[in-house]
Amino acid sequence: GDSVTQMEGPVTLSEEAFLTINCTYTATGYPSLFWYVQYPGEGLQLLLKATKADDKGSNKGFEATYRKETTSFHLEKGSVQVSDSAVYFCALSLASGYSTLTFGKGTMLLVSP
Amino acid sequence: ETGVTQSPTHLIKTRGQQVTLRCSSQSGHNTVSWYQQALGQGPQFIFQYYREEENGRGNFPPRFSGLQFPNYSSELNVNALELDDSALYLCASSRDGTNTEAFFGQGTRLTVV
Repeated sequence: GDSVTQMEGPVTLSEEAFLTINCTYTATGYPSLFWYVQYPGEGLQLLLKATKADDKGSNKGFEATYRKETTSFHLEKGSVQVSDSAVYFCALSLASGYSTLTFGKGTMLLVSP
Repeated sequence: ETGVTQSPTHLIKTRGQQVTLRCSSQSGHNTVSWYQQALGQGPQFIFQYYREEENGRGNFPPRFSGLQFPNYSSELNVNALELDDSALYLCASSRDGTNTEAFFGQGTRLTVV
């Protein structure tokens, strides 16, 4: 079945460090890919998305490129802030039939001053 | 436009009881999906409602049931609660059944004792 695998956390960084959170997927069709962020005590917020191969999603300094050849959608940010501390979820959605989100297990990011 | 709202925010129930969770979809959205997020895990798809009809279901037993109303708000009902039902229940709304652009509520934290 369809699945998403993320690197395990927590990822602990100092402010202004470079961030990479790895995400790979398995899907039978041609999925759209997403990164969601969950701040403590809150629901999920869409961070960025990409709907086809080689698309780059970007938002708030975060970027991720849809790599079909490696089935990956790694999240990157050049300089993290303390306020970026949260849990990040990679997810996919298939375009056919009813579309639902299949999530990875999430990666906690902790940024210290 | 109003966002997705869920009620209640927290709930404690006893094993064997029944519970109803509620979700008001974002203005203009006709599709509601429900997810279960166990502690430390990614959200798992329960089911989706599109224009008052169930439009897909994940791997959850029949004691998980739902409704969608003409105003597109939705309920999730769980009968015969089990301890493993303790989780954060998330509602997401989107347009036209695709769930591609899903906007999440803050969730209902259910604790079964």
